[in-house]
Amino acid sequence: NAGVTQTPKFRILKIGQSMTLQCTQDMNHNYMYWYRQDPGMGLKLIYYSVGAGITDKGEVPNGYNVSRSTTEDFPLRLELAAPSQTSVYFCASSQNPDTQYFGPGTRLTVL
Amino acid sequence: KNEVEQSPQNLTAQEGEFITINCSYSVGISALHWLQQHPGGGIVSLFMLSSGKKKHGRLIATINIQEKHSSLHITASHPRDSAVYICAVGTSGSRLTFGEGTQLTVNP
Repeated sequence: NAGVTQTPKFRILKIGQSMTLQCTQDMNHNYMYWYRQDPGMGLKLIYYSVGAGITDKGEVPNGYNVSRSTTEDFPLRLELAAPSQTSVYFCASSQNPDTQYFGPGTRLTVL
Repeated sequence: KNEVEQSPQNLTAQEGEFITINCSYSVGISALHWLQQHPGGGIVSLFMLSSGKKKHGRLIATINIQEKHSSLHITASHPRDSAVYICAVGTSGSRLTFGEGTQLTVNP
């Protein structure tokens, strides 16, 4: 199993541009999560999903959107990129509220 | 005040030393997690516990529910243990609240 995969690994955006961060898991997990990690700060939950077709906001959802049309995929959409969204983004999945498996991360810079 | 506080923020040790990282939390929890973030950025889960103690190799995690406190111990530390160790608590449903992490450096 590949586990949790994320693409791209790195990306530089200009202010106002849009992009989608991709996340796929092959473990048939119900739960999926998007986090951001800023330097010196703990991981913050952006959005999460408890199953296909169900998503909910986390602590810091503003400026982001998600969808969960399949069990495997949980893309994160940035519509109008801002410098405050410069961060490292991690996707994770779990089977029920259990041990979470993390993807390798996407390092995003907004200039 | 953060809901999850870790101490110390930074820790430097010599190879072979016994290491303790502490985590205190201020909310009711369903479970507590310890994670390791490698220098390259990858995050792996080490332990999930809701009571008592768990051991895996040289790593031991303990939790005291009454005192809202957990410790992660590393015995016979090695330079490859150098990483950021993160405490996280499960509160509502599947959501986790994370501490800021403890940067551990083990020198040969």
